[in-house]
Amino acid sequence: AQSVTQLDSQVPVFEEAPVELRCNYSSSVSVYLFWYVQYPNQGLQLLLKYLSGSTLVKGINGFEAEFNKSQTSFHLRKPSVHISDTAEYFCAVSVLPGYSSASKIIFGSGTRLSIRP
Amino acid sequence: GAVVSQHPSWVICKSGTSVKIECRSLDFQATTMFWYRQFPKQSLMLMATSNEGSKATYEQGVEKDKFLINHASLTLSTLTVTSAHPEDSSFYICSASSTSGRSYNEQFFGPGTRLTVL
Repeated sequence: AQSVTQLDSQVPVFEEAPVELRCNYSSSVSVYLFWYVQYPNQGLQLLLKYLSGSTLVKGINGFEAEFNKSQTSFHLRKPSVHISDTAEYFCAVSVLPGYSSASKIIFGSGTRLSIRP
Repeated sequence: GAVVSQHPSWVICKSGTSVKIECRSLDFQATTMFWYRQFPKQSLMLMATSNEGSKATYEQGVEKDKFLINHASLTLSTLTVTSAHPEDSSFYICSASSTSGRSYNEQFFGPGTRLTVL
């Protein structure tokens, strides 16, 4: 079975400072990895995903994440945050899909990023 | 990107009544749809997976007779909360996925439906 651990439930950061949101996963098979953002009372928006290839993945809104297979991590980073980045961030994993069926996504517990002016 | 809508966006109902939530894929055919629930300040928990034309597969601990899922077409899935109680109050989010096309197997999420049971 797969699992996702987000160690930090809350991360307060000053505006324009860098931020890293940590994510570790557990799986006995190859996986896809995702980061989603959720603004208050809204659905999920995909920030970025790692399927294969380059371990450094760039996403929207200036975010990037690095897949580290040896450490089973997929940490999310942004060099300079803005007030508008205040939201809940979810790391997620899914197994490689079957040919004719979609795969379940397992979500981490989420990290609330709060930006202080 | 692919667009998924949900209707209604919020609903308030009395205890004991049933509520139907619709999930639509607007510009692609969704062979699979997923239903999640999210309690305040918590993560998304998968409730069930539904494939078009077949019965939904429920996750352990989810009552299939309480949460009825229908996926009758490639663009519409419905979740009916039967005999709703206050503890069913939650944010319900659907996602849709296709096994064909450029976005093969990617899940696209709807905006969510907030259910409040009085």
